[in-house]
Amino acid sequence: EPEVTQTPSHQVTQMGQEVILHCVPISNHLYFYWYRQILGQKVEFLVSFYNNEISEKSEIFDDQFSVERPDGSNFTLKIRSTKLEDSAMYFCASQIGGLVAEAFFGQGTRLTVV
Amino acid sequence: TQLLEQSPQFLSIQEGENLTVYCNSSSVFSSLQWYRQEPGEGPVLLVTVVTGGEVKKLKRLTFQFGDARKDSSLHITAAQPGDTGLYLCAGFRSNDYKLSFGAGTTVTVRA
Repeated sequence: EPEVTQTPSHQVTQMGQEVILHCVPISNHLYFYWYRQILGQKVEFLVSFYNNEISEKSEIFDDQFSVERPDGSNFTLKIRSTKLEDSAMYFCASQIGGLVAEAFFGQGTRLTVV
Repeated sequence: TQLLEQSPQFLSIQEGENLTVYCNSSSVFSSLQWYRQEPGEGPVLLVTVVTGGEVKKLKRLTFQFGDARKDSSLHITAAQPGDTGLYLCAGFRSNDYKLSFGAGTTVTVRA
């Protein structure tokens, strides 16, 4: 069964360092998302991406964040200068299209900023 | 204020009992989805409801979408310890390009 794949599963980085989180969405899907979940808290929307551009982004998604779909299969989230409060689980999701289609989530990357 | 309000926040019941989790909003949704999340893992899709008044059954789980497409419920019959987990509702509004999540309901089923 097709699935969304995220790597790495766990990333530890020093404050101020750049990190790139990788996602391979389901191959025929057109809409892509990043979410984050701080330990014990709700799942928070970061950004949605369609047709090679950002469709919507949240207040969390400031200038330190960027997304890219470099090669038609990968979908990356970059954090330029990590802060302690960026520590969270980051989930990638993809959707075949439209507002009624299911969104499927990857297993997540646990980012720990020290 | 949350776009999607889930209640209760925590639910602890004995094996064999029934439970209902609610997801409410003042907004209309094009679709609502229910997910279950285990600790340290991503949300796993259980069901999508699209039509107002729709009822979907998945074994012992029954999902309902309100007539006005503003609310939904998840009912589990004869709960088992394997049903333990965090249940999340999430939905797309017609003018949004994001899936908005409720805060979740943590369900614990005691053997």
